[in-house]
Amino acid sequence: AQSVTQLGSHVSVSEGALVLLRCNYSSSVPPYLFWYVQYPNQGLQLLLKYTSAATLVKGINGFEAEFKKSETSFHLTKPSAHMSDAAEYFCAVDSSYKLIFGSGTRLLVRP
Amino acid sequence: DVKVTQSSRYLVKRTGEKVFLECVQDMDHENMFWYRQDPGLGLRLIYFSYDVKMKEKGDIPEGYSVSREKKERFSLILESASTNQTSMYLCASRSPRTGPQETQYFGPGTRLLVL
Repeated sequence: AQSVTQLGSHVSVSEGALVLLRCNYSSSVPPYLFWYVQYPNQGLQLLLKYTSAATLVKGINGFEAEFKKSETSFHLTKPSAHMSDAAEYFCAVDSSYKLIFGSGTRLLVRP
Repeated sequence: DVKVTQSSRYLVKRTGEKVFLECVQDMDHENMFWYRQDPGLGLRLIYFSYDVKMKEKGDIPEGYSVSREKKERFSLILESASTNQTSMYLCASRSPRTGPQETQYFGPGTRLLVL
């Protein structure tokens, strides 16, 4: 069965610092992986997705993620955090056309 | 732009009431989903629907039912609301046409408080 683990329920960075949000997956088949972002009082918005076309995936707002099969990881990064990046981030894996979500990581950006 | 709308942003109900949460999408998507979101638990799937009049239980269906009479509308029903159903409810839709890599599009959510 597919599953997703997000390490760290809260991550705090300074504005301009590197953002690294961790996601590890478990899947018996080649996975389809997604990162979603949720801004306060809003629904989820797709940041990027891995569909096996390329291991480094670029998304919106300067985010990217690298699929590493050997480490079963799909970590989300951004070189320089902006105050507007403060939100909750969810990693998800496809499971028979349904999504299995991680527990989420709340990103705090300090001025 | 894909649009998924939910009938209410905030809802307050009493224990034992029957509650209807409505979701409408405008992209002719076959698949629709209902999730609940709780702190520290992420999103958990309650029910989903592959197409009109088709429904399947997700991971936490107890205490809920759904209705899909028209393609664009997917309703979540709490038959007798209880305080442990206080949560954020999110609806999503997607097209299955190109396979499992298709994006799910989410509504803004309904925050339900059961007193």
